Amino acid sequence: GAGVSQSPSNKVTEKGKDVELRCDPISGHTALYWYRQSLGQGLEFLIYFQGNSAPDKSGLPSDRFSAERTGGSVSTLTIQRTQQEDSAVYLCASSLYLEQYFGPGTRLTVT
Amino acid sequence: SQQGEEDPQALSIQEGENATMNCSYKTSINNLQWYRQNSGRGLVHLILIRSNEREKHSGRLRVTLDTSKKSSSLLITASRAADTASYFCATNLEKTSYDKVIFGPGTSLSVIP
Repeated sequence: GAGVSQSPSNKVTEKGKDVELRCDPISGHTALYWYRQSLGQGLEFLIYFQGNSAPDKSGLPSDRFSAERTGGSVSTLTIQRTQQEDSAVYLCASSLYLEQYFGPGTRLTVT
Repeated sequence: SQQGEEDPQALSIQEGENATMNCSYKTSINNLQWYRQNSGRGLVHLILIRSNEREKHSGRLRVTLDTSKKSSSLLITASRAADTASYFCATNLEKTSYDKVIFGPGTSLSVIP
């Protein structure tokens, strides 16, 4: 079956612009996660959705970052007024139990 | 500081040798997972060990967990060039959401043919 997909694969944007990153999780997976990975670094937790529960937003670095998950499936991560330090690979993962399945990521470059 | 930290940060070995990576964490966990990330590709789940387990095997992988020392190790036996990747431990904290995990910074493994 299809894995986790993310779009776009690459995004170059100018500083100050808003961007939207999309994640399509594996069908039936109740949990969805967003992470950020800077070059050569580990994964920084951003936000976590589990079913109909309120999302865990404790990892969002600023109020410029927001995410939603519509209908318990597709999720969109929005970064407003992008800054150069937002440049990173944004990874999405979904899971049914504990094992997370990752998408290929969106590489965001803010110029 | 990180909840989970891998050690060493980087490791270089010859093909056929064994590779050992360690993960130390600070607070009690429900379970611990290891993931692999090949260059330019996504993360892949390798193995999960629960807090009441001490050792698990999967093919050439062996994971141990010592909750008294708050540490885990990942052993890759008879390494291959294709094992070259970054390896991350991910801990699920005892008093948090059951599914939420914290990733460590990773160990970069190079297997030289």
